[in-house]
Amino acid sequence: DAKTTQPNSMESNEEEPVHLPCNHSTISGTDYIHWYRQLPSQGPEYVIHGLTSNVNNRMASLAIAEDRKSSTLILHRATLRDAAVYYCILRRGASGTYKYIFGTGTRLKVLA
Amino acid sequence: SAVISQKPSRDICQRGTSLTIQCQVDSQVTMMFWYRQQPGQSLTLIATANQGSEATYESGFVIDKFPISRPNLTFSTLTVSNMSPEDSSIYLCSGNRGTNEKLFFGSGTQLSVL
Repeated sequence: DAKTTQPNSMESNEEEPVHLPCNHSTISGTDYIHWYRQLPSQGPEYVIHGLTSNVNNRMASLAIAEDRKSSTLILHRATLRDAAVYYCILRRGASGTYKYIFGTGTRLKVLA
Repeated sequence: SAVISQKPSRDICQRGTSLTIQCQVDSQVTMMFWYRQQPGQSLTLIATANQGSEATYESGFVIDKFPISRPNLTFSTLTVSNMSPEDSSIYLCSGNRGTNEKLFFGSGTQLSVL
């Protein structure tokens, strides 16, 4: 299965950037890298995804290593609302047969 | 985006009984999935719900314990059968669309088995 490895927890000060790392050494050429976050008592919500190139959206940036064996989710200015568990996932399979396998996640604590 | 509603949001059940969880999406989705999240843990994929055919189960999950139906593109059910306290978890429904790779999640069903 497509496994990802993340630190169990990280802390950041409010208004500072946060870099959340993820290792996915077993990634294959067609696997997409997805990031989701889960706020307390809610289902996970989509953050960002990419294949090879770095990606930016309103929520975050995704930096993908050249060999694709690791990636980093970047929150440019952490707020208290960003405190959540962040999951790095490899989406594997062909259209109609995708699987999204969650890793252990990183619990991000944001300090005021 | 898609809005996924799950019912019930929580339930307390007796050992040996069964509970059916419903998942309704506000628009058609290509794939639907059921996940389990044990207390303080990550999400574990139970199965992919296939429209009009048997679900595809992950290792460690079997149809007799977790029968799944998906009669159309917007609805699925997961039954937790013959429950034991070890089945106490949050069960989450999710879906995606063919060209939109994002996964959408319901808010989950918190199940406690006494």
